[in-house]
Amino acid sequence: DVKVTQSSRYLVKRTGEKVFLECVQDMDHENMFWYRQDPGLGLRLIYFSYDVKMKEKGDIPEGYSVSREKKERFSLILESASTNQTSMYLCASRSEGTGHNFGYTFGSGTRLTVV
Amino acid sequence: AQSVTQPDIHITVSEGASLELRCNYSYGATPYLFWYVQSPGQGLQLLLKYFSGDTLVQGIKGFEAEFKRSQSSFNLRKPSVHWSDAAEYFCAVGAPANDYKLSFGAGTTVTVRA
Repeated sequence: DVKVTQSSRYLVKRTGEKVFLECVQDMDHENMFWYRQDPGLGLRLIYFSYDVKMKEKGDIPEGYSVSREKKERFSLILESASTNQTSMYLCASRSEGTGHNFGYTFGSGTRLTVV
Repeated sequence: AQSVTQPDIHITVSEGASLELRCNYSYGATPYLFWYVQSPGQGLQLLLKYFSGDTLVQGIKGFEAEFKRSQSSFNLRKPSVHWSDAAEYFCAVGAPANDYKLSFGAGTTVTVRA
C-alpha cells in the first residue's frame, strides 16, 4: 500500500515565523497535493505538483509556497505564518491510470496552530 | 467548474439503525466520485469510489453508495451502524476537465448513540 507520511502531527508556531510542513510518499507517484481542512469548509486545495520542480497553484495559494526537489517529497511553506493559517493540513499522493488503478492516498495530517 | 454539496452538517443515528449520507455534485459529465471517512485526529480513509459501470458501489466497512446521474447524486449508505462509525464523512469529485483534482464537500459529522 502507498504510504504518505507527514513528519509532524502537531505544530505550534509564532506569528511571522517561516514554517515548513513536510510530506513523503513511498510509491514513486508523480502527482502530490497539499490541502487545508477547516470546519464547515471541507478540504481546499492549496498547491499541487505534477513532477519534480513543477508546481501549480490550487484554489487558495495565498500565503503559501511549495517545494518539490525530489519526487518523493513535497513541502508546504508558510513564508510568514499568520493566525488565519491555523488549520489542519493534509498531504496526498495520487496513483495514475484509470478506474481501479486511480486514487488518492492521504497522510495523517498536521494540525498547525499559529499564536 | 466542479463542486460538491453535502446538505447535512450533522447526523445522529442509533447504533444498529441505517445511515444515509447525501452528496450532490455539479459537473457537466460523469466525474470520478469518492467517499472518505475521517476519525478524530486522523487523515482521510477511502471508503469507496465510482468511475464507471455499475452504479451501486460496494466499499469497506459495510458501506455502499449509489450513483444517480439524473440527480447528480452519490449517496452513501450503511444498513446497520456500529459505534465505530462515528466520524466525519467527506464526498469528493474529480473531473477530467480539471485533471481529476479533487473538490470536497463540507463534510457530514455522524454521531452514533447507544
